[in-house]
Amino acid sequence: SQTIHQWPATLVQPVGSPLSLECTVEGTSNPNLYWYRQAAGRGLQLLFYSVGIGQISSEVPQNLSASRPQDRQFILSSKKLLLSDSGFYLCAWSVGQPTDTQYFGPGTRLTVL
Amino acid sequence: GNSVTQMEGPVTLSEEAFLTINCTYTATGYPSLFWYVQYPGEGLQLLLKATKADDKGSNKGFEATYRKETTSFHLEKGSVQVSDSAVYFCALTAPGNTGKLIFGQGTTLQVKP
Repeated sequence: SQTIHQWPATLVQPVGSPLSLECTVEGTSNPNLYWYRQAAGRGLQLLFYSVGIGQISSEVPQNLSASRPQDRQFILSSKKLLLSDSGFYLCAWSVGQPTDTQYFGPGTRLTVL
Repeated sequence: GNSVTQMEGPVTLSEEAFLTINCTYTATGYPSLFWYVQYPGEGLQLLLKATKADDKGSNKGFEATYRKETTSFHLEKGSVQVSDSAVYFCALTAPGNTGKLIFGQGTTLQVKP
């Protein structure tokens, strides 16, 4: 069966520090991968998606970036965090058609102070 | 554009009460519709889905019917339990896009014994 992992589970970082969040999927090949952010009072927003290694599309311009160095690995990064980057970051995967079901990881709670 | 509107919460019910959470959508074409549930501190779990008009998704006693004529996908459960307390998200993916999930704002359900 397929599983999705995210780490770390929680993170507290100062403003201006770098960020690296990791997501890995097991039990499937060539998944579509997604990064969402859930900010307080603002619902869930798609940040990045990837349909293959090295292929990244951005939905919202910001100081975050994403990379997909391996088929089942998706990384969210920032060179300098802002206070507004605080939130709950969720990775998701799907296979097949883009409208097929997405399955979410456990999330990373990021607090920027 | 594509959007999802959910009834505002929180919704507070007594155990064994009937639950309805309203969800309406705006989309081009024929979207796939989903309900996700988020328990405190956790990621999103798929609750049910429907991919075409008049389909009924069901899981764990929850049901929702894809109504194209009213552009709705209301979530119902006949008898809620304390363990159903969570945040419920209605979402859609529209055909022709990248699988981007568009979420409603979420509805918090609290079930009291």
